Amino acid sequence: TQLLEQSPQFLSIQEGENLTVYCNSSSVFSSLQWYRQEPGEGPVLLVTVVTGGEVKKLKRLTFQFGDARKDSSLHITAAQPGDTGLYLCAGNFGNEKLTFGTGTRLTIIP
Amino acid sequence: NAGVTQTPKFRILKIGQSMTLQCTQDMNHNYMYWYRQDPGMGLKLIYYSVGAGITDKGEVPNGYNVSRSTTEDFPLRLELAAPSQTSVYFCASSRDRGELREKLFFGSGTQLSVL
Repeated sequence: TQLLEQSPQFLSIQEGENLTVYCNSSSVFSSLQWYRQEPGEGPVLLVTVVTGGEVKKLKRLTFQFGDARKDSSLHITAAQPGDTGLYLCAGNFGNEKLTFGTGTRLTIIP
Repeated sequence: NAGVTQTPKFRILKIGQSMTLQCTQDMNHNYMYWYRQDPGMGLKLIYYSVGAGITDKGEVPNGYNVSRSTTEDFPLRLELAAPSQTSVYFCASSRDRGELREKLFFGSGTQLSVL
């Protein structure tokens, strides 16, 4: 069973600060997705990365896929209260199953 | 834009009771999924369907049943509720296989407690 480890599990920072959260595995991903989930709602897709070393930007969010395709990071610049939520990574290990990580619960303090 | 609609939003069951969680989507998606989300755990796939009349087991199917008589609807049935089934349940759909980088659209979830 492939495992996705996300770190940190919890993160609470002040508005305006920068942060990075991580998604790691011992196995190679075919592709990886990042989702954000707000309380009482289902996850919403933010981005899909496919190529090793790939970097994608979504406004203040920067997503990077590791060169070896075993890890990914999400960097948020100048965090805002609207960024608060549970960030989930979901990886495809090439076995036709999507595996979700346990998530990073992010709180931005105004 | 309704997207994926789940009902009910909340439910409390007694041990041994049965219930059906409803899920419908209006995007004409072929693929539909049921996940459960436990505190501190990732989403676990219960069952999925690749089209009307076709269903298959996911990672944690025991204690659940599904059917897919139409493209739009994918209900999840709990026959004999157990405390271990206390969780938040999410239905999702995708145009193509979610495992192949396709975007999953999620409903807003059903919070189920079995006491």
